[in-house]
Amino acid sequence: EAQVTQNPRYLITVTGKKLTVTCSQNMNHEYMSWYRQDPGLGLRQIYYSMNVEVTDKGDVPEGYKVSRKEKRNFPLILESPSPNQTSLYFCASSPRGGMKTEAFFGQGTRLTVV
Amino acid sequence: GDSVTQMEGPVTLSEEAFLTINCTYTATGYPSLFWYVQYPGEGLQLLLKATKADDKGSNKGFEATYRKETTSFHLEKGSVQVSDSAVYFCALLTGTASKLTFGTGTRLQVTL
Repeated sequence: EAQVTQNPRYLITVTGKKLTVTCSQNMNHEYMSWYRQDPGLGLRQIYYSMNVEVTDKGDVPEGYKVSRKEKRNFPLILESPSPNQTSLYFCASSPRGGMKTEAFFGQGTRLTVV
Repeated sequence: GDSVTQMEGPVTLSEEAFLTINCTYTATGYPSLFWYVQYPGEGLQLLLKATKADDKGSNKGFEATYRKETTSFHLEKGSVQVSDSAVYFCALLTGTASKLTFGTGTRLQVTL
């Protein structure tokens, strides 16, 4: 089944403790991205990757890192999480960049930083 | 910059009622437009899309027409069902960065 898989689905952590949220897609998509969803703000892009070893900042990159060593994986790293990073996170992938391509989303990771 | 404005919810309707969720956008260039749906506890799924002016996207009884003159992409359905209860996001896609810009989402609650 074609899908984008995120792990974990739920995570509660403490301020400053490094964490990684994994994202994997099995559709051989070139383009991957991370969004955070907050009430009243919709989804905002954190980082994106046009292909392996190519990443760039989205609208809200502060406090986050990503890497794209393999085509299928695009982990999101929070080196020192803070409470304002409590949010619902979505990974998404598309066959390629461009104007007409549909994005496929993972099921989300609900992160709470205390 | 690019932005999407959609009507605030929640929208509460009885089953078989007519649905309209308004969406207007501001974009540099010529975007593609999308409606995504998020069912409880799930990720977003593409509902429909339109890539040029006057295109009509449709799926599962939902429709939206790309109106360049009014910069709008309103979502409509003639007869909603309880199973349509979800959060609906209007979004636009521009440029080579392929960044989706989302509206804030509209929660739809359909009751019997």
